[in-house]
Amino acid sequence: AQSVTQLGSHVSVSEGALVLLRCNYSSSVPPYLFWYVQYPNQGLQLLLKYTTGATLVKGINGFEAEFKKSETSFHLTKPSAHMSDAAEYFCAVSHSPRGSARQLTFGSGTQLTVLP
Amino acid sequence: KAGVTQTPRYLIKTRGQQVTLSCSPISGHRSVSWYQQTPGQGLQFLFEYFSETQRNKGNFPGRFSGRQFSNSRSEMNVSTLELGDSALYLCASRAKGQIDPSTDTQYFGPGTRLTVL
Repeated sequence: AQSVTQLGSHVSVSEGALVLLRCNYSSSVPPYLFWYVQYPNQGLQLLLKYTTGATLVKGINGFEAEFKKSETSFHLTKPSAHMSDAAEYFCAVSHSPRGSARQLTFGSGTQLTVLP
Repeated sequence: KAGVTQTPRYLIKTRGQQVTLSCSPISGHRSVSWYQQTPGQGLQFLFEYFSETQRNKGNFPGRFSGRQFSNSRSEMNVSTLELGDSALYLCASRAKGQIDPSTDTQYFGPGTRLTVL
């Protein structure tokens, strides 16, 4: 069974500081991993994804994440936080329960607050 | 390319009623999935449709159903609404029904906020 754990339901950083949002996963097969961001009253926007290949993946808005198989982690980072980064972030693992079906299992989310 | 669209954006219903939500995927996408988002349970998978067939179903009661049309548009229906069905319902589309890393990404719509009174 697949599962995702996001450490820290709330994270606060100062504007310009490093953003680090933690995600650990459990998967019985090589995982496809995703980070999504959700702004208030909106749907989920894809930030970045890891499927195969390079383990350091870059996404939109200056975010990146590194897949570490030995640590079963996929932490999200951004060198310098901006006020517009304030949102809720979700880590997800994609798996196929049968055939070509596909579903995402999400972590519980991390609310990022950026302080001026 | 237009994104995933969902209608309506907001709905208010009373207990016992039924509701139908609509989702139009990104042009060319053939797979549509539905998720429920609540403060208590987070994001949970409801079902996935591809080529008008339900390919996968999450752990929800039979009151939750869906369908997909030949143009890939999808609807989900909730019958006999309960207070606990109040949630944001999100639709997501992906390009193909086969496992392909380059296309195996789900793109989400803005959601339909359902309130059950």
